[in-house]
Amino acid sequence: GAVVSQHPSRVICKSGTSVKIECRSLDFQATTMFWYRQFPKQSLMLMATSNEGSKATYEQGVEKDKFLINHASLTLSTLTVTSAHPEDSSFYICSARPRGRGSTDTQYFGPGTRLTVL
Amino acid sequence: AQKVTQAQTEISVVEKEDVTLDCVYETRDTTYYLFWYKQPPSGELVFLIRRNSFDEQNEISGRYSWNFQKSTSSFNFTITASQVVDSAVYFCALSGPNTGKLIFGQGTTLQVKP
Repeated sequence: GAVVSQHPSRVICKSGTSVKIECRSLDFQATTMFWYRQFPKQSLMLMATSNEGSKATYEQGVEKDKFLINHASLTLSTLTVTSAHPEDSSFYICSARPRGRGSTDTQYFGPGTRLTVL
Repeated sequence: AQKVTQAQTEISVVEKEDVTLDCVYETRDTTYYLFWYKQPPSGELVFLIRRNSFDEQNEISGRYSWNFQKSTSSFNFTITASQVVDSAVYFCALSGPNTGKLIFGQGTTLQVKP
């Protein structure tokens, strides 16, 4: 089946540093990837839509200069949390939609990255 | 605007009981897709089902069944003869016809006690 990986699975960093999270589709190409954030005991909130070869589309209220998204290839999207602060501590989950399929198909989720900012 | 409401925050049942998780959605789209996901303590989302707005047939998969009713904008999920391994957070989600963006409900935490 379709597999999506995320790296790292956990990261702890100091306030003010930047953290990069990778999302890879391992056995399929993905023109579109989505980034979600989940605070403890809360739901998943879409942060942005990442399209290969073009700029990401951010949801309202998400700072694009703070959460940098790069979809450099059909199998890799990265999310960089710049100048991280404790309030950025969260569970970040990506999902990938296979190339050539419309929104009717299920998107495949990565296992998530737990970010803790001290 | 799209919205998904899961009114049940937490449900606790004893093993072998049946349990129904409610999901009510709002959308102006005539074409849309509904999903259920399971999130165990590990955090990874497990896909359970996708249903499109034109298919109101109920579905059964083992101990799981889904009741989709457009008239009440509901997409409820029933687990029959619940097991301890069913303990998790369950999310209902909605997407429109083109973007693939998922709008998640607040989630229902299910605890199945032995």
